[in-house]
Amino acid sequence: GAVVSQHPSRVICKSGTSVKIECRSLDFQATTMFWYRQFPKKSLMLMATSNEGSKATYEQGVEKDKFLINHASLTLSTLTVTSAHPEDSSFYICSADPSAALWTNTEAFFGQGTRLTVV
Amino acid sequence: SQQGEEDPQALSIQEGENATMNCSYKTSINNLQWYRQNSGRGLVHLILIRSNEREKHSGRLRVTLDTSKKSSSLLITASRAADTASYFCATGTDKLIFGTGTRLQVFP
Repeated sequence: GAVVSQHPSRVICKSGTSVKIECRSLDFQATTMFWYRQFPKKSLMLMATSNEGSKATYEQGVEKDKFLINHASLTLSTLTVTSAHPEDSSFYICSADPSAALWTNTEAFFGQGTRLTVV
Repeated sequence: SQQGEEDPQALSIQEGENATMNCSYKTSINNLQWYRQNSGRGLVHLILIRSNEREKHSGRLRVTLDTSKKSSSLLITASRAADTASYFCATGTDKLIFGTGTRLQVFP
């Protein structure tokens, strides 16, 4: 099946610094990628939809200046958590959508996730 | 936002027993998917059921879909300790939204 690689898997950073998380589709092109956030023992909350070559679409309540998303190519989307605070500590997961999978009835492909800890 | 609710929120059973998890959703769908997540790990896709399907099987998994009630169920038969994980349903049209999840614990 298709592979989505997310890097890094774990990162610890100091308050006030920025952290970049990469999401790559390794064997397919993805015009659309999705970024999710998950708190401990909770479900995945969609943060934003990343569109190649255009601005990301953010879900209600997600600060776009705080969570910068760049989708510069068909195989790479990045999420940058700017001026990180301890409350940004969470598990972040990306998903890639090959060929409008939701319409063609195929599964979505997920990265392995990134555990961010802000100290 | 969440697509819908899953129940139960948590379920504890003995090995060999069956586990049933239910999912309700709010909007029209093209398909509904079930995922498993081991603690602190990524998601594993289990099964996809299309909106025109009513039941689907994959190994020990059985999924039903009732579009009139906007609900789905996941049945794991003859559970094993390795089935211990969180299970999520997910659906949507232009973006995938997850349910609240069921935490399953299977005791050996």
